[in-house]
Amino acid sequence: QKEVEQDPGPLSVPEGAIVSLNCTYSNSAFQYFMWYRQYSRKGPELLMYTYSSGNKEDGRFTAQVDKSSKYISLFIRDSQPSDSATYLCATNQGGKLIFGQGTELSVKP
Amino acid sequence: GAVVSQHPSRVICKSGTSVKIECRSLDFQATTMFWYRQFPKKSLMLMATSNEGSKATYEQGVEKDKFLINHASLTLSTLTVTSAHPEDSSFYICSGRDTDYGYTFGSGTRLTVV
Repeated sequence: QKEVEQDPGPLSVPEGAIVSLNCTYSNSAFQYFMWYRQYSRKGPELLMYTYSSGNKEDGRFTAQVDKSSKYISLFIRDSQPSDSATYLCATNQGGKLIFGQGTELSVKP
Repeated sequence: GAVVSQHPSRVICKSGTSVKIECRSLDFQATTMFWYRQFPKKSLMLMATSNEGSKATYEQGVEKDKFLINHASLTLSTLTVTSAHPEDSSFYICSGRDTDYGYTFGSGTRLTVV
């Protein structure tokens, strides 16, 4: 079992849709969770991070962590074509990032 | 915010030659730098962790003699792909750690070995 599992998609939605991206993890000791966005042929950029359980909102993005079920989510409201990218969930173990496989998202105009 | 500058963004080299990739942390001191490799439509695979002034720690299965990492200063880490072969063609990305959760990535280097 991989430490962080993520559905690779691809996921295609119409502009304006609400997007839900999800990951599961195996180790209950994980505490920091991040979401990165990666455009094609670019390095990942940090979108959001959360510590422990709960929600965190930043504009159209909401990150959610449910430690009881070891489930993390990223919601994108009013999705835009510019949101088309690969989204990677990640956690921190021993100073190293552990990534999910990444979900490729396409937002169609 | 924190910035990591990675160069070159693209490089094509002949089989058997060596290629150096540089990563610089522009506005923070990166005592630790991470080097990743990414295949098309795949996630990032950690190759090695470098700490300033000491030897890099390589992940299992990564050839340390092929992928030489130097982290001579708090703002510069380099990856040299030695005696490159076509199977080394990939997207290489570095990352510097600036906070507990802040891992800032370079823009990546696309290496093509012909």
